Amino acid sequence: EADIYQTPRYLVIGTGKKITLECSQTMGHDKMYWYQQDPGMELHLIHYSYGVNSTEKGDLSSESTVSRIRTEHFPLTLESARPSHTSQYLCASSFLSVSYNSPLHFGNGTRLTVT
Amino acid sequence: GENVEQHPSTLSVQEGDSAVIKCTYSDSASNYFPWYKQELGKRPQLIIDIRSNVGEKKDQRIAVTLNKTAKHFSLHITETQPEDSAVYFCAVSLGRLYFGRGTQLTVWP
Repeated sequence: EADIYQTPRYLVIGTGKKITLECSQTMGHDKMYWYQQDPGMELHLIHYSYGVNSTEKGDLSSESTVSRIRTEHFPLTLESARPSHTSQYLCASSFLSVSYNSPLHFGNGTRLTVT
Repeated sequence: GENVEQHPSTLSVQEGDSAVIKCTYSDSASNYFPWYKQELGKRPQLIIDIRSNVGEKKDQRIAVTLNKTAKHFSLHITETQPEDSAVYFCAVSLGRLYFGRGTQLTVWP
């Protein structure tokens, strides 16, 4: 079934560790996004990509980095996790079209806790 | 960028009543307005959207109206049910999506 998949679903990690949150989609979407969201709160865009080798920073300053080597894969990396990074991270994707606005499809999220 | 304001931040209604959530935006070039519903512990999901060439769209108990002149659009939920309880986000497309801050809707049985 075409969908967007995030792993892990939950992650508890100590301060200073390097982590990578995985996101893959099988919907053939060009655009992919990472949002940070505290439960029930605002969606903050931290990174997005228009396609392979394209990455842009979003609205919320983040110490994370992203890469887009394959169309279907958009991992997010934190080089040194801190307690302030504790949050939920949502990956999303959409079609890229000049003439048609495509809705976002979200993954189930990764709930990150940094101790 | 775009500035999206969403009101109210919380809304409580009795089951069977109607609920209305309003959003305003700043850039008249914005042309696509989706609404997302996020249930507790789940991902946001698209429930309805409207494009700038349409003034109103309805899907069963939910409807969205758009006033391009005034730069505002609203979500209307009629005959609310407890399962409508969730956080609702409006969004505006201007190259990318800009989200409102969300409305926590609670429907009391």
